Amino acid sequence: AQTVTQSQPEMSVQEAETVTLSCTYDTSENNYYLFWYKQPPSRQMILVIRQEAYKQQNATENRFSVNFQKAAKSFSLKISDSQLGDTAMYFCAFKGGNEKLTFGTGTRLTIIP
Amino acid sequence: KAGVTQTPRYLIKTRGQQVTLSCSPISGHRSVSWYQQTPGQGLQFLFEYFSETQRNKGNFPGRFSGRQFSNSRSEMNVSTLELGDSALYLCASSLGGAGRLGYEQYFGPGTRLTVT
Repeated sequence: AQTVTQSQPEMSVQEAETVTLSCTYDTSENNYYLFWYKQPPSRQMILVIRQEAYKQQNATENRFSVNFQKAAKSFSLKISDSQLGDTAMYFCAFKGGNEKLTFGTGTRLTIIP
Repeated sequence: KAGVTQTPRYLIKTRGQQVTLSCSPISGHRSVSWYQQTPGQGLQFLFEYFSETQRNKGNFPGRFSGRQFSNSRSEMNVSTLELGDSALYLCASSLGGAGRLGYEQYFGPGTRLTVT
């Protein structure tokens, strides 16, 4: 079974700084997707960014980018120029051949004004 | 487009009772997935429905069941409630269909179930 590990339960950073959230996963599959989801306090979970395992190029969405290291099974999220609205729980997730979305335990990120 | 809606938003039940939660997906989405979110266990996949058929199932006891209607709306039922069933139940919809591995799932606001 796939597992997703987020080793940082909580992080905080000053507004406008850059922060990197870590995620590692374990799988024997070659074709899969990785996702970062954001769950703001008392608000709906939304997709931040996704990465297909077959793509060498790291995905980027505005201030959000990933560092995907397939051999190391690592998938970190970098948030540049952090904003107060980035305060949320961030979940790393894996979807492989069984098509079930497996989530990590989450990282609570607080942006300090 | 309207987002994923879930009703009710909050629910308080007693041990032994049963409960039904409802989820209306985004228009055009045929896949609905359910997740249980607790502080202790995190986010766990319950099941997925596509075109009225259960396509995938997580590791939950048979007390947890679901169904999907022809309009893609889905319901989740939990029978014989236990204290440990207290959780936020999230529903997510996606297009489903061929090439669906990378499809984004759009989440609803969740139903907060408290079992006393």
